[in-house]
Amino acid sequence: GENVEQHPSTLSVQEGDSAVIKCTYSDSASNYFPWYKQELGKRPQLIIDIRSNVGEKKDQRIAVTLNKTAKHFSLHITETQPEDSAVYFCAASTPGGGADGLTFGKGTHLIIQP
Amino acid sequence: NAGVTQTPKFRVLKTGQSMTLLCAQDMNHEYMYWYRQDPGMGLRLIHYSVGEGTTAKGEVPDGYNVSRLKKQNFLLGLESAAPSQTSVYFCASSYRRISGANVLTFGAGSRLTVL
Repeated sequence: GENVEQHPSTLSVQEGDSAVIKCTYSDSASNYFPWYKQELGKRPQLIIDIRSNVGEKKDQRIAVTLNKTAKHFSLHITETQPEDSAVYFCAASTPGGGADGLTFGKGTHLIIQP
Repeated sequence: NAGVTQTPKFRVLKTGQSMTLLCAQDMNHEYMYWYRQDPGMGLRLIHYSVGEGTTAKGEVPDGYNVSRLKKQNFLLGLESAAPSQTSVYFCASSYRRISGANVLTFGAGSRLTVL
């Protein structure tokens, strides 16, 4: 089955700086890569996703890039703000979406230092 | 529109006791899932369902059972709770976009402690 590795496990950046979280996946057939954000004590929520036919996608201060050849994808957050502090999960899904849902990475705890 | 609702939010059990977590969704989603979240382990799939009356095992199914008697409800049961089942449990439901992407909506979570 699919295996998703996520790094780093903890990332601390100064407010206003950029943050990058990286994930690799094992199944070359995976074609859908979402990112979920989980604030402390809250539920995970989808913030951005990308399909394998697209190399990059942006939504205001966040962007995701995908390198199919290397089988890795990254989340980029620019001009970080205190409300960006959370745990971020990457995930991968095989063709057809997979009735068994998504394979998640272990998460990155992003800390925004004032 | 409540989305995905889990009950109870908190529960403390003694080893060997049984309990059921209830998940209800009002979005008419076909797929429903139960995940557990442990520190440093991310979200691990326990069981899932692709429709009313169907269930299947996920990555960590041992010690759990599930039922989907109605489309809107997905129940997770622990027949004989063990301390290793202390965790936060998340239910999720999903729809399939035209593109094939599987978008999950999560419940608020249920924190279970087994003593």
